[in-house]
Amino acid sequence: QQQVKQSPQSLIVQKGGISIINCAYENTAFDYFPWYQQFPGKGPALLIAIRPDVSEKKEGRFTISFNKSAKQFSLHIMDSQPGDSATYFCAASLTGTASKLTFGTGTRLQVTL
Amino acid sequence: GAVVSQHPSWVICKSGTSVKIECRSLDFQATTMFWYRQFPKQSLMLMATSNEGSKATYEQGVEKDKFLINHASLTLSTLTVTSAHPEDSSFYICSAHRGTDTQYFGPGTRLTVL
Repeated sequence: QQQVKQSPQSLIVQKGGISIINCAYENTAFDYFPWYQQFPGKGPALLIAIRPDVSEKKEGRFTISFNKSAKQFSLHIMDSQPGDSATYFCAASLTGTASKLTFGTGTRLQVTL
Repeated sequence: GAVVSQHPSWVICKSGTSVKIECRSLDFQATTMFWYRQFPKQSLMLMATSNEGSKATYEQGVEKDKFLINHASLTLSTLTVTSAHPEDSSFYICSAHRGTDTQYFGPGTRLTVL
């Protein structure tokens, strides 16, 4: 019930291409879905987040697509750059105080020249 | 805004000693802070939830006497790894929860126990 499944485990994309990472959740009570970017040896940084009342959210080159009926959401990185090479984690939680995040397993993205 | 710091960024200690890691929210008050552990190439594992002025809530399987958490103020939480052993070597990350927003993470602390 609490799992968030993330795929693929790793991804190689050419510079300028589109990177797509998918996540699926089980708990229908989840109502907040953030994506985090983590570079080696650093803490995760919030990238973008969405709530289930919208199907898509875009911030710059990053877009979250959300499908409530399928209990799936995905991160699209447009015009991928070598600087985007990092590990990406999706997560889900219940909003409100002290809401715990349930993380996906992570996707290692490598953007090649 | 929403900056979280951790100190130290890395620490090496001998087996059997205790190590304290500090987590501070620099520009906001955090009623709740979280402590995570992350092994290489793995996801974050929640260890405990820390609420200001009250006892921490530990996740199943996490030894509360081993990992002491104190949340003395709205901007500071500490994690003390007591009697550390090599298997406690890991990357420890804290996060701070601001209101109804998401969690903001610190830069992490690399602990190596010799």
